[in-house]
Amino acid sequence: DAKTTQPTSMDCAEGRAANLPCNHSTISGNEYVYWYRQIHSQGPQYIIHGLKNNETNEMASLIITEDRKSSTLILPHATLRDTAVYYCIVREGTSYDKVIFGPGTSLSVIP
Amino acid sequence: DAGVIQSPRHEVTEMGQEVTLRCKPISGHNSLFWYRQTMMRGLELLIYFNNNVPIDDSGMPEDRFSAKMPNASFSTLKIQPSEPRDSAVYFCASSFWGGRVANVLTFGAGSRLTVL
Repeated sequence: DAKTTQPTSMDCAEGRAANLPCNHSTISGNEYVYWYRQIHSQGPQYIIHGLKNNETNEMASLIITEDRKSSTLILPHATLRDTAVYYCIVREGTSYDKVIFGPGTSLSVIP
Repeated sequence: DAGVIQSPRHEVTEMGQEVTLRCKPISGHNSLFWYRQTMMRGLELLIYFNNNVPIDDSGMPEDRFSAKMPNASFSTLKIQPSEPRDSAVYFCASSFWGGRVANVLTFGAGSRLTVL
């Protein structure tokens, strides 16, 4: 079973920041938070991951709360191409354990 | 690197026929995952391998499904006999698992199966 809770859908205006929340209240100390997204008809694509510090790469920023029970993926300037389903996953970073995807958040970027 | 390569991209077959889906993982990756995606059930993990060995096949729906990984560069998912409810997009993903390296999955483009 997925260990995360995400809103079913969200809208964001083009050019604005998209903030996608994820709750993972049962996360353990050695579990990372991973984010993937799936653009229609394509395979899921890795975005970013983190353990407890905030992370940033060319695609997005990841903000993890101090108690690690929730996180937010930030797309700083959303474009129409960011319309996709976004999945938040927690798992051990060095484990070859199964990777379970929940229903994710369907983000619609509106012109 | 060409990424994870899946074939065929599209398959249309009739009920009762055997279907074989193929996957070539990224060179150097040692974990391979098979997923199935439908509108109703979302993205479901069917089976995954580590170093060519099946680790967990609890997601395989029934005995009609089987998966093999004869070597590090090739895996198959077979459905025999196929049924209309098997219609879905099947994704293969690979990753490198080792020590302290973060385990990131790279997905293929998927194989869209339609069983009539």
